[in-house]
Amino acid sequence: NAGVTQTPKFRVLKTGQSMTLLCAQDMNHEYMYWYRQDPGMGLRLIHYSVGEGTTAKGEVPDGYNVSRLKKQNFLLGLESAAPSQTSVYFCASSYQSPGEQYFGPGTRLTVT
Amino acid sequence: LAKTTQPISMDSYEGQEVNITCSHNNIATNDYITWYQQFPSQGPRFIIQGYKTKVTNEVASLFIPADRKSSTLSLPRVSLSDTAVYYCLVGGSFRNRDDKIIFGKGTRLHILP
Repeated sequence: NAGVTQTPKFRVLKTGQSMTLLCAQDMNHEYMYWYRQDPGMGLRLIHYSVGEGTTAKGEVPDGYNVSRLKKQNFLLGLESAAPSQTSVYFCASSYQSPGEQYFGPGTRLTVT
Repeated sequence: LAKTTQPISMDSYEGQEVNITCSHNNIATNDYITWYQQFPSQGPRFIIQGYKTKVTNEVASLFIPADRKSSTLSLPRVSLSDTAVYYCLVGGSFRNRDDKIIFGKGTRLHILP
């Protein structure tokens, strides 16, 4: 039982490049979330999903897109990366909401 | 949007009870209060969740007064391994699309020997 996994763990992008972060969970959770965490800050919700095929905007959705084609996967896309998107990205999942969220190990993204 | 306010940092000693208070004056009727713990370079880990009054589990207690405008996380007999950042989170019911989850900036707890 791997829990929540994130791919990749680290990435460096140049401004304007695109990439996709993959989150996978094996707990059959309905809810999945993408957060970003900047130095010295709390987590801010980017997008979330309440079930397969559904997505919704969180607190800071601009510059990101998401998809939840399969229940176990939640993808976060950056179409044109900007230095302001340099951050640590965490994915989480939960059986219900509100409820205990299980977090992945994070992806450290640097945009130069 | 229910915003949360916590102390930036706290120090305590091993074996002591630690209480961390979070203010959330604009909490909505549907909002729950959840606390997470985060160690460096790791994702947050769930500690406890409550709606009102008192909740206790094997690691902590959560006290919520009747007006629900604040909450207090209580950690009994802390050890060095409890040194971490503690986040108070409000919201997350997602009963409608305007519902959000708001993490506070966290309280950096430092346990001294």
